[in-house]
Amino acid sequence: DTGVSQNPRHKITKRGQNVTFRCDPISEHNRLYWYRQTLGQGPEFLTYFQNEAQLEKSRLLSDRFSAERPKGSFSTLEIQRTEQGDSAMYLCASSLGSSGGNEQFFGPGTRLTVL
Amino acid sequence: DAKTTQPPSMDCAEGRAANLPCNHSTISGNEYVYWYRQIHSQGPQYIIHGLKNNETNEMASLIITEDRKSSTLILPHATLRDTAVYYCIVRVASNAGNMLTFGGGTRLMVKP
Repeated sequence: DTGVSQNPRHKITKRGQNVTFRCDPISEHNRLYWYRQTLGQGPEFLTYFQNEAQLEKSRLLSDRFSAERPKGSFSTLEIQRTEQGDSAMYLCASSLGSSGGNEQFFGPGTRLTVL
Repeated sequence: DAKTTQPPSMDCAEGRAANLPCNHSTISGNEYVYWYRQIHSQGPQYIIHGLKNNETNEMASLIITEDRKSSTLILPHATLRDTAVYYCIVRVASNAGNMLTFGGGTRLMVKP
C-alpha cells in the first residue's frame, strides 16, 4: 500500500499521560500536514512541514503539542500531559508541492481517547 | 480563504445523480474550488478541483457558475458507497502549500 499510514489507529490513555503518534507520508511527498477532528466537525489544521522544516502552526497547537519531521520523511506528533479535551481523531496528510493543485492525501487517522 | 456555505444534509436514491451545491460568494480570482469527502471512520479523500471551467474526472463532475460565486459537485450515478460527508473548500493553489480549511460539509445519504 503506497498511501499515507498512521500508527497507532487507536490510543486510549489516562489524563496526564504523554502520547506520540506517527505518520508515514507517501514517499515522494515533500509536504506533511497534521489536522485534528472532533466528533461532528470538519478537520482543523494543526501544523505543516515542508521537508523537515515546520513552516506553519495553528493557534490550536498549544505548548503541550509538538511535532517533528526529522529527516523529511515520517513525522511524529506528541501530546504531553493529555487532557480530556484532547480526545479527537488526529489526521495526517501529505502532498507533492507544485504550482498546480497539490491536493492532499489523508491517512486513516489516529483516534485518541483520554480518560 | 473564502468562506463556503453548504446544506448540512442531503438524500439521494441509489443510481440517481447526486448534486451537491456550494456557495462561495466571496471567492477571489486566484482561489480554486476543491471538493473532498470523508466516509465514516476514514480520512478525507480528494475528489476534484477547479478554477473557472467545469471539470470532470472518474469520480465526479464540478460545475462552477460563470461568476464563480457557487458550484455544484455531481456524482452521476450515486452508489451506497458514496454515503459520506462532502466538503467544499476554497483556497489558493500555489507553492505556498497552505492548509485546507474545512467547514461543516454536507452529509450525503444514498438510499437503496
